[in-house]
Amino acid sequence: AQSVTQLGSHVSVSEGALVLLRCNYSSSVPPYLFWYVQYPNQGLQLLLKYTSAATLVKGINGFEAEFKKSETSFHLTKPSAHMSDAAEYFCAVRIRTGNQFYFGTGTSLTVIP
Amino acid sequence: ETGVTQSPTHLIKTRGQQVTLRCSSQSGHNTVSWYQQALGQGPQFIFQYYREEENGRGNFPPRFSGLQFPNYSSELNVNALELDDSALYLCASSEQAGAGWETQYFGPGTRLLVL
Repeated sequence: AQSVTQLGSHVSVSEGALVLLRCNYSSSVPPYLFWYVQYPNQGLQLLLKYTSAATLVKGINGFEAEFKKSETSFHLTKPSAHMSDAAEYFCAVRIRTGNQFYFGTGTSLTVIP
Repeated sequence: ETGVTQSPTHLIKTRGQQVTLRCSSQSGHNTVSWYQQALGQGPQFIFQYYREEENGRGNFPPRFSGLQFPNYSSELNVNALELDDSALYLCASSEQAGAGWETQYFGPGTRLLVL
């Protein structure tokens, strides 16, 4: 069975500080991995995805994530937080032979001015 | 390019009633997936439709059913509503099913409250 664990349901960082949101997955084979962002009263927007090309994936708005097979992790980072980054972030996995996404429970990011 | 749209935005129903939620896919997309997002949780996969056929289903009972139309718009129907069905229902469209890595584009959701 596939599963996604996001450590830390709430993360607070100061404006300009490093953002690190953690995601670990459980899968027998490396899946496709995604990070989505959800702003209040909106749907999910794709930040980036890992599809087995480069292990370091760059996304929109300055975010990037690194796939580490040995750690079954796909943590999301951004060097310098902006106020506009405050939102809910979801990690998701999809096995290569299936069509179902499995989402984590989300991490709420607060940016402190 | 028109994004994914959903209607209505909000809905209030009572237990036992039936509800239909609607989704218009992004132009050129032939695959639509439906998700249920309970408060404080991540989205849970309900089912996916590809070219008008169900193409996968999550762990939801049969009272959750769907349709996809020739123009690739879609409906989610829920019968015999229960209190636990209160959630945000998200629709997502993509260009094709099966590639695995294709991007899903999400609509803003329909917030359903069951009293």
